[in-house]
Amino acid sequence: DIQMTQSPSSLSASVGDRVTITCQASQDITKCLNWYQQKPGKAPNLLIYDASNLETGVPSRFSGSGTGTDFSFTISSLQPEDIATYYCQQYGNLPWTFGQGTKVEIK
Amino acid sequence: EVQLVESGGGLVQPGGSLRLSCAASGFTFSSHWMSWVRQAPGKGLEWVANIKQDGSERYYVDSVKGRFTISRDNAKNSLYLQMNSLRVEDTAMYYCARVEGSSSSWWKFDYWGQGTLVTVSS
Repeated sequence: DIQMTQSPSSLSASVGDRVTITCQASQDITKCLNWYQQKPGKAPNLLIYDASNLETGVPSRFSGSGTGTDFSFTISSLQPEDIATYYCQQYGNLPWTFGQGTKVEIK
Repeated sequence: EVQLVESGGGLVQPGGSLRLSCAASGFTFSSHWMSWVRQAPGKGLEWVANIKQDGSERYYVDSVKGRFTISRDNAKNSLYLQMNSLRVEDTAMYYCARVEGSSSSWWKFDYWGQGTLVTVSS
C-alpha cells in the first residue's frame, strides 16, 4: 500500500498568513493526488484534484503543486472560514489512501 | 443538485451484520463509479470500497475483504454496503461518495453524503 505522510499534523496561523501543508507518498504517484477540506462534524469537501487543479467553485486562495512523491497545498491568505482539517489522498494505486490530516487553527 | 443520503447505521454487537444504503439524486447515477469511505471517531479518512458503473468491478481495502460487500441498484439510484462479521475497529462514520474521472485521467471524490454512524460494541 502507498503511505501518505502529511506535515505538519497541526498548525496555528494568523488571518492573512500564507499556509503550506506538505504530503509525501511512499512511492511515485505521478500527479495522482487530491486535497480535501473537512470542517468539524461535516463531510470532506474536494478542493484540489490531480495535484494542482482547482475544483469548480473553490476559492482561488487554495492551490496545490507537486509530482512524483512530494506535494504541497497552500492557502495564500488564511481566512477564518478555512479552519478545518485538510487531507491529501492518492489514487495512483489501490487501495486509495489518505494522509493523516493537518488541523489548521487561527492564532 | 447532487445529493447523497446515507442510512442504515446504528449500534451492533461484534460479529453482527448491518446494511448501509446511500440514496443518490441530481445526477445520472449509472454513469459513475461510487465509493464508501469511513472515518473512525477522532481519526482520519479511510477508503473502504469502490464499485464500477455496472457493478462488474469492485475493490476493497484489505481490512474488509471477505466481510463487506459493495453493491448498487441503478434502477433505484442506490448504493449499498453489506457489512458482516463486524469488529469493534469497524466503528466509524461511513460516507458514500461519488467518484468522478476515469483510468485515463484522474479520479476524485467530488460529492459526499453526510454520513451514517456505525458503532460496533457489546
